[in-house]
Amino acid sequence: GDSVTQMEGPVTLSEEAFLTINCTYTATGYPSLFWYVQYPGEGLQLLLKATKADDKGSNKGFEATYRKETTSFHLEKGSVQVSDSAVYFCALRGGADGLTFGKGTHLIIQP
Amino acid sequence: DVKVTQSSRYLVKRTGEKVFLECVQDMDHENMFWYRQDPGLGLRLIYFSYDVKMKEKGDIPEGYSVSREKKERFSLILESASTNQTSMYLCASTVGGDYGYTFGSGTRLTVV
Repeated sequence: GDSVTQMEGPVTLSEEAFLTINCTYTATGYPSLFWYVQYPGEGLQLLLKATKADDKGSNKGFEATYRKETTSFHLEKGSVQVSDSAVYFCALRGGADGLTFGKGTHLIIQP
Repeated sequence: DVKVTQSSRYLVKRTGEKVFLECVQDMDHENMFWYRQDPGLGLRLIYFSYDVKMKEKGDIPEGYSVSREKKERFSLILESASTNQTSMYLCASTVGGDYGYTFGSGTRLTVV
């Protein structure tokens, strides 16, 4: 079945550091890929998405490129802020049966 | 903005009780989902529904049932709560396709 693997963390960075959170997936066919963010005490929010190979999703300074050859969708940001502290989930939609999520990466940004 | 409202943020129930978790969305979405979120396990799909009165099992339906009598409301039912159902429960809805899901704020259920 479909699966998503991401680094679990916690990942601790200083403010203004460069961020990469790795995500790789296993799926049949051509899934759509998503990154969601969960701030403390809240539900998940869609951060960005990409629906076909080589697409780049971007939002709020975050970017991720759909790499079919490496089955990856790594999340990057050039300069993180304390307000980016949250849990980040990589997910895929392979078919009609809901999204498949990774286990989440807890990101902590220190001032 | 689409809103998905879960009726309770925190619940404490006793083992063996029948528990109802309610979810309401206000944007006429066809598709609704229930996930549970546990540390180290991420989100796991319990049940989903693509239309009124229809339901489909997700990855972990055992011990749960659902009800969708109206399009905007999707209820998760724990027939006889057990301590291993202590978890964060998240409801989501979407119009479908590659549109993102809108999640509720979650219900943290503790079964004692």
